[in-house]
Amino acid sequence: GNSVTQMEGPATLSEEAFLTINCTYTATGYPSLFWYVQYPGEGLQLLLKATKADDKGSNKGFEATYRKETTSFHLEKGSVQVSDSAVYFCALSDTGANNLFFGTGTRLTVIP
Amino acid sequence: KAGVTQTPRYLIKTRGQQVTLSCSPISGHRSVSWYQQTPGQGLQFLFEYFSETQRNKGNFPGRFSGRQFSNSRSEMNVSTLELGDSALYLCASSWAGGRNTEAFFGQGTRLTVV
Repeated sequence: GNSVTQMEGPATLSEEAFLTINCTYTATGYPSLFWYVQYPGEGLQLLLKATKADDKGSNKGFEATYRKETTSFHLEKGSVQVSDSAVYFCALSDTGANNLFFGTGTRLTVIP
Repeated sequence: KAGVTQTPRYLIKTRGQQVTLSCSPISGHRSVSWYQQTPGQGLQFLFEYFSETQRNKGNFPGRFSGRQFSNSRSEMNVSTLELGDSALYLCASSWAGGRNTEAFFGQGTRLTVV
């Protein structure tokens, strides 16, 4: 079956620190991979995506590379800001973008 | 253009009652999916509708049902509510739901069962 495993949170970082949130997956097919972000009181927003092996998704300074050999899609950002404080979800879909399997989410808090 | 609209935003129901939640997708989007978000189980896929037909279904009991209308608006119904149904219910719409499309989420309906 399909599943997504994220590193446990919450994570607390100082402003300008380097961020890595680990995500690994298992899938029966050849999935597309996504990172979503949820700010307090809001729904989910797509942060970035990758649809095939070795693709790199990037947006707002965040990056993640689809690694088929390690079944991973780790999220990275070189220098986090206080405004990046949110919950981050790794997700996969093997049938389409509107049928998603989510990880448990990682709460990131960035302190000045 | 307007985003995904879910109504109501908040709802309190009594155990045993039923509830209907509504989702209006982005104009032109034909795929609507529903997700349940709880602290214990996280985000779980309920079902997806495309052109008024259920296209995919998650692992939820039959008390959870949905439908989609010809204008792509969707409703989700939960019958015989249980305390464990308390959750944030999120709706997402996309143009067709394929691998290269993006799903846009609404702000959710927070259901509390007492």
